[in-house]
Amino acid sequence: DSGVTQTPKHLITATGQRVTLRCSPRSGDLSVYWYQQSLDQGLQFLIQYYNGEERAKGNILERFSAQQFPDLHSELNLSSLELGDSALYFCASSVGKSGNSGNTIYFGEGSWLTVV
Amino acid sequence: AQKVTQAQTEISVVEKEDVTLDCVYETRDTTYYLFWYKQPPSGELVFLIRRNSFDEQNEISGRYSWNFQKSTSSFNFTITASQVVDSAVYFCALSAPRDARQLTFGSGTQLTVLP
Repeated sequence: DSGVTQTPKHLITATGQRVTLRCSPRSGDLSVYWYQQSLDQGLQFLIQYYNGEERAKGNILERFSAQQFPDLHSELNLSSLELGDSALYFCASSVGKSGNSGNTIYFGEGSWLTVV
Repeated sequence: AQKVTQAQTEISVVEKEDVTLDCVYETRDTTYYLFWYKQPPSGELVFLIRRNSFDEQNEISGRYSWNFQKSTSSFNFTITASQVVDSAVYFCALSAPRDARQLTFGSGTQLTVLP
């Protein structure tokens, strides 16, 4: 158990709909990261928040957005869903601002999203 | 740009055999960190090890060992006396200052350990 909690674990929704994925980081971790894992793209970094502020942006679509709240939990909002958005969405957390300052990035169990 | 290559897409071994998973990385940064993660069939990503670019000592943890060679930009992972429970996808990842993506992952190696 990494200590990173994600809900829901599984989600099935229709095209055009909007969903929200939730993440609670490990206790004490200030950074939250979102990654998408799909069969064709592999593991792709979407976005990172550090202590409530957006810190880094990766391959995140404009239809997707995220935020980190004062209690440090984070939500990833996916809207106007398409079939190709079906993937495993990971949340991860670390103490510091990035993995390249020696912080280990711990991942949650992921949220399986299926768009039908 | 940062890049991580795991050339072995799938490996199949029989239980108790040793197996080495290869990882080759590219970065222009002199300070960087390398990681290995395990993804069992249940889907979660499990952290295995983090190594910084200044520490080339090999590391052993039980049946797991890691060989970091800066000269060849490789960070290989060996499982000794493999077990069926080792069956998983293993990812090598790189984190470097130039990379805003925080972790650049390789494409993963699917390891199947047969009884």
